[in-house]
Amino acid sequence: DADVTQTPRNRITKTGKRIMLECSQTKGHDRMYWYRQDPGLGLRLIYYSFDVKDINKGEISDGYSVSRQAQAKFSLSLESAIPNQTALYFCATSMGVAETQYFGPGTRLLVL
Amino acid sequence: AQSVTQLGSHVSVSEGALVLLRCNYSSSVPPYLFWYVQYPNQGLQLLLKYTSAATLVKGINGFEAEFKKSETSFHLTKPSAHMSDAAEYFCAVSDRGTGGFKTIFGAGTRLFVKA
Repeated sequence: DADVTQTPRNRITKTGKRIMLECSQTKGHDRMYWYRQDPGLGLRLIYYSFDVKDINKGEISDGYSVSRQAQAKFSLSLESAIPNQTALYFCATSMGVAETQYFGPGTRLLVL
Repeated sequence: AQSVTQLGSHVSVSEGALVLLRCNYSSSVPPYLFWYVQYPNQGLQLLLKYTSAATLVKGINGFEAEFKKSETSFHLTKPSAHMSDAAEYFCAVSDRGTGGFKTIFGAGTRLFVKA
C-alpha cells in the first residue's frame, strides 16, 4: 500500500464551488505539505504543517485553506474555486525540515 | 534568499548517451540539495541528496550529482541513458532562512530519450 495517498485523483468542478482535497499518510511523519504544480513553474508551496497545532502559509496560500485533522491527515480546501486554480496538486510528508519529502500520487483539478 | 535555476526545460539524448541536467542554486548558508524524479502520472520521488558529506553523491538508477560550491552548482549526470530514464527531473534546495528551513524546487527539466 502507498505511504502517502490523495483523494480524489481527478476532479472537475465549476467556478465558485468549494472543494476539498484530502491527504493521508502512514509514514508517521510530523511534517506535511501541499504543493501545486504548473507546467514550467515547478512545484510551489501552498501550506505546510509541522504538527497538528502548527500550520503555516507557503508562497501561494491566497484562495486556499487547510486543516490538519490528525498527524496522518492534512486536507486542502479551495473555498471558491476559480479557473486559474486548475493544476496538479501534491501532498508530501517529511521527517524533518531538510529531510527527503515523500509525495503522494497527485490530484489533477480542473476548474471550469 | 534561496533560489534554484534549472537550465533547459527540455533535454533530449539518445539511448546510451551521457545525461547531463544542470542545476544552479543560490543560498546564503550551506544548503541541502536534492534531485527528484517524476514519472508520468506519479508523484515525485527522491533520486539523491547532498547533505554536506561527500561532494559526489550517488543515487538510484545510476545517477549521480556533484556539489560544486565555487560554481553554486549541483548538476545531475548518468553515463548512459536508458529509455526508462525518460521523466521530469526537479532540483531542490533547502536551507535555514528567515522563519526557519524552507525548500524551494526548480521549474523542472523534462528528459527525452531517443531510441
